[in-house]
Amino acid sequence: GAGVSQSPSNKVTEKGKDVELRCDPISGHTALYWYRQRLGQGLEFLIYFQGNSAPDKSGLPSDRFSAERTGESVSTLTIQRTQQEDSAVYLCASSFNGAGELFFGEGSRLTVL
Amino acid sequence: QKEVEQNSGPLSVPEGAIASLNCTYSDRGSQSFFWYRQYSGKSPELIMSIYSNGDKEDGRFTAQLNKASQYVSLLIRDSQPSDSATYLCAVKPTNAGKSTFGDGTTLTVKP
Repeated sequence: GAGVSQSPSNKVTEKGKDVELRCDPISGHTALYWYRQRLGQGLEFLIYFQGNSAPDKSGLPSDRFSAERTGESVSTLTIQRTQQEDSAVYLCASSFNGAGELFFGEGSRLTVL
Repeated sequence: QKEVEQNSGPLSVPEGAIASLNCTYSDRGSQSFFWYRQYSGKSPELIMSIYSNGDKEDGRFTAQLNKASQYVSLLIRDSQPSDSATYLCAVKPTNAGKSTFGDGTTLTVKP
């Protein structure tokens, strides 16, 4: 596709369940980023991939959060044993060679009941 | 101190006026600066990037950078109601790595 694609667009889950969020970046973009945005708040950095390596995982809030990327393609963000404070929009962005100009997907809205 | 600070607003301007949005950053090693626009319920979209001191103009938008003062601004001329959105300032230290975002300034342009 032409833009960054994220799925699911909406996910409602029960506390304690695991969820997996998917991001398909723009073709040719080597860098991929995950951010979290809670309601009414700014963007919180989670993790950054260059290719399939993650030079910066400093934003992952706890060991319940993990992410992986296959080559320069799809990335998945996994949240284990979800908590209510995990409720947020999870935004994925990609950029050409990590240049900094980010192109965002539409986000995955996660609600933990 | 936050790495990237913006006035939260809200900022309200009448249609046709100039809107001025400001951003300061703490990392003197920052090299790349960006402005994103985020409409309510939507994801951010890039509107301007600036890398060197001075002004950069694109249509009704002008980005201004002063590295000595660690200050970035965005001017929107002839503001339109469709410019009503939250504007996010982002700063990136090197050619690789993450961008750090401010919390955004909400702009309302009144007809």
